[in-house]
Amino acid sequence: QKEVEQNSGPLSVPEGAIASLNCTYSDRGSQSFFWYRQYSGKSPELIMFIYSNGDKEDGRFTAQLNKASQYVSLLIRDSQPSDSATYLCAVCFGNEKLTFGTGTRLTIIP
Amino acid sequence: DTEVTQTPKHLVMGMTNKKSLKCEQHMGHRAMYWYKQKAKKPPELMFVYSYEKLSINESVPSRFSPECPNSSLLNLHLHALQPEDSALYLCASSQDPRRSWETQYFGPGTRLLVL
Repeated sequence: QKEVEQNSGPLSVPEGAIASLNCTYSDRGSQSFFWYRQYSGKSPELIMFIYSNGDKEDGRFTAQLNKASQYVSLLIRDSQPSDSATYLCAVCFGNEKLTFGTGTRLTIIP
Repeated sequence: DTEVTQTPKHLVMGMTNKKSLKCEQHMGHRAMYWYKQKAKKPPELMFVYSYEKLSINESVPSRFSPECPNSSLLNLHLHALQPEDSALYLCASSQDPRRSWETQYFGPGTRLLVL
């Protein structure tokens, strides 16, 4: 069974600090990795995607992928209250499917 | 433009009703998806359409019937639903089903309540 695991939280981070969200996955053949943000009652919104080992930066967000350790993370710098949401890690295992983790609930404390 | 639209936003239906959910995208995407999401859970894949053909059915009960009339439209027909089917139904699309690693873009969802 192909699985994606996340710590469900809640994760509380002071405003202005770095929030670090982690995700592990079970299949070494996984091809692509996505971070979605979901506000309560809304649909998932793409934050970042990453295909290759290493870091990928987009504004305040950095995705980090380590395929050897089967680990992907999302760093949010200078956290803002508007970053408070559930963050879903999703992995494509090489077919048309995305497998989602259970999500990490992040709260930024003003 | 990465917009996927869904109608209606909210739907309340009885267990004997028949209703349909509609999803539309005009990005030229050739893969379209239906997901179901219960509160505090991740989205669960229901169906995948590739080039207007059903390619994945995740053992969804027959009271849910998908339809893809053309490359821009995806419907989900609902009949004889149960209260436990109440959830947020999400539509998503991605550019090319042959490139399974591509990003899926989600619509705003239809919040369904079955009484």
